[in-house]
Amino acid sequence: QQQVKQSPQSLIVQKGGISIINCAYENTAFDYFPWYQQFPGKGPALLIAIRPDVSEKKEGRFTISFNKSAKQFSLHIMDSQPGDSATYFCAAHHSGNTPLVFGKGTRLSVIA
Amino acid sequence: DGGITQSPKYLFRKEGQNVTLSCEQNLNHDAMYWYRQDPGQGLRLIYYSQIVNDFQKGDIAEGYSVSREKKESFPLTVTSAQKNPTAFYLCASKDRGTADTQYFGPGTRLTVL
Repeated sequence: QQQVKQSPQSLIVQKGGISIINCAYENTAFDYFPWYQQFPGKGPALLIAIRPDVSEKKEGRFTISFNKSAKQFSLHIMDSQPGDSATYFCAAHHSGNTPLVFGKGTRLSVIA
Repeated sequence: DGGITQSPKYLFRKEGQNVTLSCEQNLNHDAMYWYRQDPGQGLRLIYYSQIVNDFQKGDIAEGYSVSREKKESFPLTVTSAQKNPTAFYLCASKDRGTADTQYFGPGTRLTVL
């Protein structure tokens, strides 16, 4: 049973455009929602994360929007750049050392 | 220089051989994890350990084994029982405390010849 569903699987965006990746979760006990960015041949790196007590978090060009009632959260990349081309994973977690539950990833390509 | 190191970066194995992938962290994290990533696929959890001398199976533990004798080390052995071991293997760690951030190592690419 996949607990975090991520879409789309792949995304092509023009340089300067907005990239939007969506995730939905099932377990209402989740209380931490990070996004990871992975470049080819590298390990994923934490990009931005949110907790359910806020509806939005912004760091530079990256914004997480969180809708607790709908059990959905999304990553918005403003002014997308070719250097943003990577695979993005959403994840969810509830307290403790239990593993993160990952979405299946979105491969983003930003073209000039 | 803190972080997670994985070695080797590339590993080649003949069919029928066991191989061990190294993962070391100097972040003083209690929890450590092993994931497998196949081309175009997500991250699948193999094993995880929340504390020294304890570990749990993840979603795809068959054909793999681990040990956690030291806090900073969590080696993964890919045994000959793993039918399709060619993949990118990622180690991660997390603090037991209030911090939830899970950090990943640079990965080991295993190829079976």
